[in-house]
Amino acid sequence: QVHLVESGGGVVQPGRSLRLSCAASGFTFRSYGMHWVRQAPGKGLEWVAVIWHSGKVEFYADSVKGRFIISRDNSKNTLYMQMDSLRAEDTALYYCARDPGAGGAMDVWGQGTTVTVSS
Amino acid sequence: QAVLSQPSSLSASPGASASLTCTLRSGINVDTYMIYWYQQKPGSPPQYLLTYKSDSDKQRGSGVPSRFSGSKDASANAGILLISGLQSEDEADYYCMIWHNNAVVFGGGTKLTVL
Repeated sequence: QVHLVESGGGVVQPGRSLRLSCAASGFTFRSYGMHWVRQAPGKGLEWVAVIWHSGKVEFYADSVKGRFIISRDNSKNTLYMQMDSLRAEDTALYYCARDPGAGGAMDVWGQGTTVTVSS
Repeated sequence: QAVLSQPSSLSASPGASASLTCTLRSGINVDTYMIYWYQQKPGSPPQYLLTYKSDSDKQRGSGVPSRFSGSKDASANAGILLISGLQSEDEADYYCMIWHNNAVVFGGGTKLTVL
């Protein structure tokens, strides 16, 4: 069964860092692109970043460019998001999602991990 | 102006059909884009519903009922999610999505109420 499990969320002060992880199972992780998508409390979905299956191509939302870095370890079936210089507006539930088409639909989503940026 | 605009809410009766629109910003031609649709129920992650570019280029997600279908209205520059035979379980938030300039863009979402 295909599973994505996010972890690493928590409460952090503005300006600090956090690293999220997304453990994948039940499919050939190295064959899929992977996204991070976030959802602030009571708000809609906001795409954060994508990394292609090879790990060699990444794209970011303007709101996080230069502060967040997406990466993956295909040997560990894990996706990461290094989040630096965190701001209050980064507070959200962060989902990882699978992309079979390298620029297509997000067909499987995790349950999410919550990040709260507050002093 | 947002890249993708969706009405914030829509109400429809059980058994009826609901047409959810996703309007692309002027200058972005709907004909050239794949439109992706997702359903999100409270407390749950989004679920992929379907992809629509044309009648010959479309796909429904695994296990998604045929009651859910996609189309486009070129005159309105919009993608459409049509849900027929509405059921109470269809009450949810619905998001459209496109890839635009090497980035993913979501619409603001439509809250569908079935009553």
